[in-house]
Amino acid sequence: SAVISQKPSRDICQRGTSLTIQCQVDSQVTMMFWYRQQPGQSLTLIATANQGSEATYESGFVIDKFPISRPNLTFSTLTVSNMSPEDSSIYLCSVDPRGADTQYFGPGTRLTVL
Amino acid sequence: RKEVEQDPGPFNVPEGATVAFNCTYSNSASQSFFWYRQDCRKEPKLLMSVYSSGNEDGRFTAQLNRASQYISLLIRDSKLSDSATYLCVVSDGGFKTIFGAGTRLFVKA
Repeated sequence: SAVISQKPSRDICQRGTSLTIQCQVDSQVTMMFWYRQQPGQSLTLIATANQGSEATYESGFVIDKFPISRPNLTFSTLTVSNMSPEDSSIYLCSVDPRGADTQYFGPGTRLTVL
Repeated sequence: RKEVEQDPGPFNVPEGATVAFNCTYSNSASQSFFWYRQDCRKEPKLLMSVYSSGNEDGRFTAQLNRASQYISLLIRDSKLSDSATYLCVVSDGGFKTIFGAGTRLFVKA
């Protein structure tokens, strides 16, 4: 398994601002994933982040809105840009340390946009 | 049709009951299958992988039927601590992982 931490754990933000979420893993992993979980919904993959290359975004998510950094094998950030109330959600990062499609999740960042 | 479909529940069962969750998936090329558990306000955690031969882990039994594109999870002798949302997860082996919407379980004393 992997131990994953996220910062911040929660935040309340004003419309039009941006928030950067950090994800730290206790071991080196090739791929990290960013998910969104809206209230009462399941997880939706935002993007997959490889170290040293551009993130791959899923349909409906764009880099301008959700820029991602992956500077090394243990760290990634997701920025939620120009926020609106519709961005209120839990944002989770995950890793697949064994490359076996088994994902381990961080504790999530609970974002509320006013 | 959703790629992964689950009965949303909620399932309300007494302690000691046996409860079964079902899940269907649409992509016949799917390679890997899992059940995750998500407690309220917590992140999902892997409960068990699902193999074609079926697998068991204590009170939990998972089965896969590739022909019917169907996955199941059986919980025997339910405990209060089993109360959670159970997520059916399907992967195509190429890091495309789809989460079902989850089935909520409430186990009552």
